[in-house]
Amino acid sequence: EVQLVESGGGLVQPGGSLRLSCVASGFTFSSYWMTWVRQAPGKGLEWVANTEGSGSAKNYVDSVKGRFTISRDNAKESLYLQMNSLRVEDTAVYYCARTLLEGYDLWGQGTLVTVSS
Amino acid sequence: DIVMTQSPDSLAVSLGERATINCKSSQSVLHSSDNRNYLGWYQQKPGQPPKLLIYWASTRQSGVPDRFSGSGSRTDFTLTISSLQAEDVAVYHCMQYYSIPYTFGQGTKLEIK
Repeated sequence: EVQLVESGGGLVQPGGSLRLSCVASGFTFSSYWMTWVRQAPGKGLEWVANTEGSGSAKNYVDSVKGRFTISRDNAKESLYLQMNSLRVEDTAVYYCARTLLEGYDLWGQGTLVTVSS
Repeated sequence: DIVMTQSPDSLAVSLGERATINCKSSQSVLHSSDNRNYLGWYQQKPGQPPKLLIYWASTRQSGVPDRFSGSGSRTDFTLTISSLQAEDVAVYHCMQYYSIPYTFGQGTKLEIK
């Protein structure tokens, strides 16, 4: 089955760290760019970061630059988001998405990150 | 960054009637190299991830019913549902993928009147 499954979310204090994972199955993971998109509770979608198939090219939204790192392990068909120095405003459901030039055609169900003291 | 603004924020339409959602970008998303508008539409039902409906502003994703259509160019775009069905209740998001950071509109909540 073609799918993406995220994990790693949870409750963390401001300033803390979390590592999100996204495991892919049913397609050739290394052939695709991959993206993280987040959605704060009751809010719209926000593009966070993407990375190309080999993992060498990476892009970030300014609000997470220097704090978040996107990476991938193609042998494990997995995408990661290392999140450091977390802020209250990082609270959101984080989705991973398979990325085509024309958009995101496959999404995971999301993992909730809550940053609160 | 390109700012995407949708209107209205919410919309109530009767079953079988037409629904129209607008999306405006703060700068053109028409790429001169390929004459394509780098604009997509996503549907998000409660508790679910978004689903790609339309890309290149007007191309329906495989499996999307033909009652969904997209139009527009440069900075002004429209998503139209020609005859609203109960299963179309959702939040609709436009997104530009012309320049990084890619950005979404704030979303439009579509309900049944």
